[in-house]
This record gives sequence, structure tokens and C-alpha cells, in this order.
Amino acid sequence: AQTVTQSQPEMSVQEAETVTLSCTYDTSESDYYLFWYKQPPSRQMILVIRQEAYKQQNATENRFSVNFQKAAKSFSLKISDSQLGDAAMYFCAYRSFTGAGSYQLTFGKGTKLSVIP
Amino acid sequence: NAGVMQNPRHLVRRRGQEARLRCSPMKGHSHVYWYRQLPEEGLKFMVYLQKENIIDESGMPKERFSAEFPKEGPSILRIQQVVRGDSAAYFCASSPRARMGQPQHFGDGTRLSIL
Repeated sequence: AQTVTQSQPEMSVQEAETVTLSCTYDTSESDYYLFWYKQPPSRQMILVIRQEAYKQQNATENRFSVNFQKAAKSFSLKISDSQLGDAAMYFCAYRSFTGAGSYQLTFGKGTKLSVIP
Repeated sequence: NAGVMQNPRHLVRRRGQEARLRCSPMKGHSHVYWYRQLPEEGLKFMVYLQKENIIDESGMPKERFSAEFPKEGPSILRIQQVVRGDSAAYFCASSPRARMGQPQHFGDGTRLSIL
């Protein structure tokens, strides 16, 4: 079974600084996607960024970028120029085709990010 | 284009009662996923449905839980004879097709509290 591990329950960053959130996963599949979702106190689940396993180039979305190391099964999220609105829970998620016929997401337990003014 | 709509936002039930959670997917989306989030935890997959069909219910408890997605109307997650351990946030997500890279769009969730 696939598992996703986020080893940092909490992180903090000074406003305008850079922070990196860690994520590792375990899978025997070769074709899959990885995602980072943000959950602010409002509890919405907001897609931040996604990465296809076959693409070697790391995904970027404005201030958000990933460091995808397929051999190491590592998928970290870097947030540059941190803003107060970045404060939230961040979930790493894995997705592949399951034998039962679905593309369910498997989530880590999350990292709570605080941004210090 | 309205997003995924879940209602109610909050639901309070006493032990032994039934809870019905509703999810209207985004327009044009015929694939629905339900997830449960326990306090201080990530979301856990429960069930995947297409219109009128349950495709994968491997994450659903075998007893008391059921889900449907009728031809007309919202998807319903039903919990019978609720217990304290059912207290959680329940999220619905939808997508227009079943593709690995297709993002799932999430609703705001229903927070279920059991007294």
C-alpha cells in the first residue's frame, strides 16, 4: 500500500523568508502524481502544486516550487517570500491508479505552517 | 461556475441517530470522491462514485456507512446509528473525468459532531 509521510508536524517562517516542507512516500508504482494541498483555518482544501512522476523538471507555481527526487521518493515544497496568508496546514498527497478502479488521493498527516510577521 | 457544494456545513447528531451529508459536484463533473478527516490527521479516502455507480468503496467502514450518487441530485454519504468516533470533517471532491493527473476539486467539508 502507498504511504505518505510528513515528518514535520509544525514549521514556522519569518515573513518574506523561504521555508521548505518535507514529504516522502512509498510506492512500487512507476506512474503516479504528487500534490501539495493547503488547508487554511477555513478548512478549504486548495491545490497548491502538482508533479507528474515522469517529468524530471520540478513544478513551479509563482512562489511555490517543488524538489522532486524520484529515486529517493521525496517531494518537498519550497515557499519563497513567505506571506501571512501562507499560514495553513499543508498536506502532501499521492495519486495513482488503484486496482479497485479509482484514482484516490493518499494524504500525509500534514505540516502546520506559521508565518511570523 | 459554482464550486463543489457540501451541506450542511455543520451537523450535530446524538449517538444512535442518522447523519446524511450531501455533495453537489461542480457542473460537468460526474466523478465524486468522499474523504474523512479526523482531528489532527490528513484526509483518508472513503469511497469513489460515478453517476449511479459505486466504483471503489475500499475505504468505507463495512457497517453503518453507505454512499450513493443518483442520476439526478447530489451524492449522499449516509451514516446510520452514529457513534462518537464518527465525529470528523467529511470532504467531497469531484472531477470531470477519471484521469490520474486530473485535479480533484474539494468542497468546504461537513463537520459532524456526535453528542
